Amino acid sequence: AQSVTQLDSQVPVFEEAPVELRCNYSSSVSVYLFWYVQYPNQGLQLLLKYLSGSTLVESINGFEAEFNKSQTSFHLRKPSVHISDTAEYFCAVSPGPGGYNKLIFGAGTRLAVHP
Amino acid sequence: NAGVTQTPKFQVLKTGQSMTLQCAQDMNHNSMYWYRQDPGMGLRLIYYSASEGTTDKGEVPNGYNVSRLNKREFSLRLESAAPSQTSVYFCASSRRQGKSYNEQFFGPGTRLTVL
Repeated sequence: AQSVTQLDSQVPVFEEAPVELRCNYSSSVSVYLFWYVQYPNQGLQLLLKYLSGSTLVESINGFEAEFNKSQTSFHLRKPSVHISDTAEYFCAVSPGPGGYNKLIFGAGTRLAVHP
Repeated sequence: NAGVTQTPKFQVLKTGQSMTLQCAQDMNHNSMYWYRQDPGMGLRLIYYSASEGTTDKGEVPNGYNVSRLNKREFSLRLESAAPSQTSVYFCASSRRQGKSYNEQFFGPGTRLTVL
């Protein structure tokens, strides 16, 4: 069975500082990996995804994540955060090719950016 | 396009009452999903519908029923609400399941409290 562990439930950080949100997964098959973001009182939005190819994936607002198969990790990073990045971030895994689009989510990491 | 819409936004029930959460999508997606979100547990799949006319159990189906009314609509019913069903419920849809991944799009959620 697949599972996702987000190692930090809350991450406080000052504006313009770098941040890393950690995610580890367990799976016996190939997987797709995702980061979703949830702003207060809203639904989830896809931030970035790894399906295949380059292990470093980027989002349009400066976040990036690196798929590390040997460490079964998919950590999310941003070199300089903004107040507007305050949100909850969810790492998720889905079966790879041949599987269905069922997502398994981590418990979430609440990112709080302070001025 | 409205995307994925959910009604109601908020609901308070007494133990034993029943209610139906409504979800509709206007993206011509084949697959639809119901999740619940609880603090510290991320999102968990309740039921999903791979295509019109089919429904399958997810991770936490007990106490719920679903109906895929047509391609656009997927409802979630609580027959006899319990306090353990207090949660935020999200509906999602994706183009289809199959060999390639299709992004899931989420609705804004329904916040349900069972007293």
